Amino acid sequence: ILNVEQSPQSLHVQEGDSTNFTCSFPSSNFYALHWYRWETAKSPEALFVMTLNGDEKKKGRISATLNTKEGYSYLYIKGSQPEDSATYLCAHNAGNNRKLIWGLGTSLAVNP
Amino acid sequence: DVKVTQSSRYLVKRTGEKVFLECVQDMDHENMFWYRQDPGLGLRLIYFSYDVKMKEKGDIPEGYSVSREKKERFSLILESASTNQTSMYLCASYVGAGNQPQHFGDGTRLSIL
Repeated sequence: ILNVEQSPQSLHVQEGDSTNFTCSFPSSNFYALHWYRWETAKSPEALFVMTLNGDEKKKGRISATLNTKEGYSYLYIKGSQPEDSATYLCAHNAGNNRKLIWGLGTSLAVNP
Repeated sequence: DVKVTQSSRYLVKRTGEKVFLECVQDMDHENMFWYRQDPGLGLRLIYFSYDVKMKEKGDIPEGYSVSREKKERFSLILESASTNQTSMYLCASYVGAGNQPQHFGDGTRLSIL
């Protein structure tokens, strides 16, 4: 059952714009929230794994926040570059059952 | 760096053939997964394994089986390939608990004719 929602489905921005996406997940029995970047012709690459309510993580121009009580996470990209063009996936792990429940992703296109 | 290697990037097979997709990881990860990815459907879990000779069904196991005889290798088998199994197949592995990142192979784009 797909119960991880990502929005928007797709996004087109200009180089230099900052942008953000949302991942919603069930707030009960939370264990971890994952963010991945999937570039065309490459394999998905882990960006962040977040476990604590209020967590904020940063990797270069990309950052993420987590609210486990209300069941959402935001991914921010500051000053988007064409190389940021990719699909950004989030996935939820509930109760450490080894499996991830994946969202459908947000497809980002950054125009030079 | 973790390396997850899938045996083929592209594969073309015929309906009814038995197809083997191989995945090898080099970091002693106990957890290994097979997903398929189709447009509009996201990543769907076919099977996973958390130890040698252990396997568990994912969300869409029908028409597939798996084998894990050694810790580093996880094979996906299409018993009798059908056209609706044309897809991108991704293997992933990770160590420990669900708060660790998954590491993915480059994927196998399988076409069944």
